[in-house]
Amino acid sequence: EAEVAQSPRYKITEKSQAVAFWCDPISGHATLYWYRQILGQGPELLVQFQDESVVDDSQLPKDRFSAERLKGVDSTLKIQPAELGDSAMYLCASSLRVSENQETQYFGPGTRLLVL
Amino acid sequence: SQKIEQNSEALNIQEGKTATLTCNYTNYSPAYLQWYRQDPGRGPVFLLLIRENEKEKRKERLKVTFDTTLKQSLFHITASQPADSATYLCALNRSGGYNKLIFGAGTRLAVHP
Repeated sequence: EAEVAQSPRYKITEKSQAVAFWCDPISGHATLYWYRQILGQGPELLVQFQDESVVDDSQLPKDRFSAERLKGVDSTLKIQPAELGDSAMYLCASSLRVSENQETQYFGPGTRLLVL
Repeated sequence: SQKIEQNSEALNIQEGKTATLTCNYTNYSPAYLQWYRQDPGRGPVFLLLIRENEKEKRKERLKVTFDTTLKQSLFHITASQPADSATYLCALNRSGGYNKLIFGAGTRLAVHP
């Protein structure tokens, strides 16, 4: 069964350093999402792509976070500089397309970030 | 403001009993609602979707209800098993575009043998 791949699974960094996370969605999925999940809370959407275009980044802290999906396939989320409050699980998800009857989102295993 | 509430306390039940989890929301009129399961250290896994014009949806031992008047969804697991122990997340589509989900904080279920 096809899965969403993420790497690394774990990342420890010091504050003010740069970190990057990678996501490879399920083949053929046009929509890709990055979520942040703080322990004890639900996932919060950071950015949504449709193919290579950003369709929602209203919750992305753009002063330090950036995301790209250059060829409309895999994606990278970057934080520079990292802050202590960025410690969380970063989840990538994909769905076939933005339309009725295609609402299921498939999540990857996540990247656990710890900022010291 | 828009809000989703799930029981923050863990639900502990005995194996074989029915687990019922609650999701309440305010200031929403979602077109659909989803339930996901999340195990520790893993990403959520989709379980069920129910639309605003549906009252109930079933899948094997799972049942979801959706009351748009009460603004509430109930998630039931019948004949629960220890393997059902996990955190269960409720998610609603939010205004501003299709497929945009807002998640509740989840309820942790523990099924004891």
